[in-house]
Amino acid sequence: AQSVAQPEDQVNVAEGNPLTVKCTYSVSGNPYLFWYVQYPNRGLQFLLKYITGDNLVKGSYGFEAEFNKSQTSFHLKKPSALVSDSALYFCAVNGGANNLFFGTGTRLTVIP
Amino acid sequence: GAVVSQHPSWVICKSGTSVKIECRSLDFQATTMFWYRQFPKQSLMLMATSNEGSKATYEQGVEKDKFLINHASLTLSTLTVTSAHPEDSSFYICSASRDWTNTGELFFGEGSRLTVL
Repeated sequence: AQSVAQPEDQVNVAEGNPLTVKCTYSVSGNPYLFWYVQYPNRGLQFLLKYITGDNLVKGSYGFEAEFNKSQTSFHLKKPSALVSDSALYFCAVNGGANNLFFGTGTRLTVIP
Repeated sequence: GAVVSQHPSWVICKSGTSVKIECRSLDFQATTMFWYRQFPKQSLMLMATSNEGSKATYEQGVEKDKFLINHASLTLSTLTVTSAHPEDSSFYICSASRDWTNTGELFFGEGSRLTVL
């Protein structure tokens, strides 16, 4: 069965510092992996995805993620955090079923 | 880009009334749409898969008579919360895919906040 784990409920980082939001997955077959961001009382906004190809995927707003098959991870990263990056981040996987399975979310707070 | 619109964004209703939430794909056709429910500080819980021209597929534990889903066209799915009660208060989000089989990518609506008094 497909599953996604986001081990950190909360991540705090100082503005200007690099940030990492962790995600590990479990699927049968080749995974499609996604990161979404959610601002308060809003829907989810697509950040980036990995389907195939280069393990390092670049997405919106300067975010990137690295697919690591051996560690079954897809951590979200950004070299320099902005206060406006503060939001709720969801990792998701589509393991072949007709839906996305979401992690529990990680709240990122960027401290000025 | 693909745009999914939800309406209304906010709705307040009295207990016992029914509320309809619309989900539209504005610039693409969506044979499949998904409805989620999100509780405070929690992840998205899939409620049902809405299929154009056929009955919705509900997840285990979701009352199909309570949450009526209609997908009458390739650009519109509706969720009707019937005889709403305070415990139905939640944030409801829809999503749609342009090419699910090949991309597995979903586009999300802005969500609808339902408050039942």
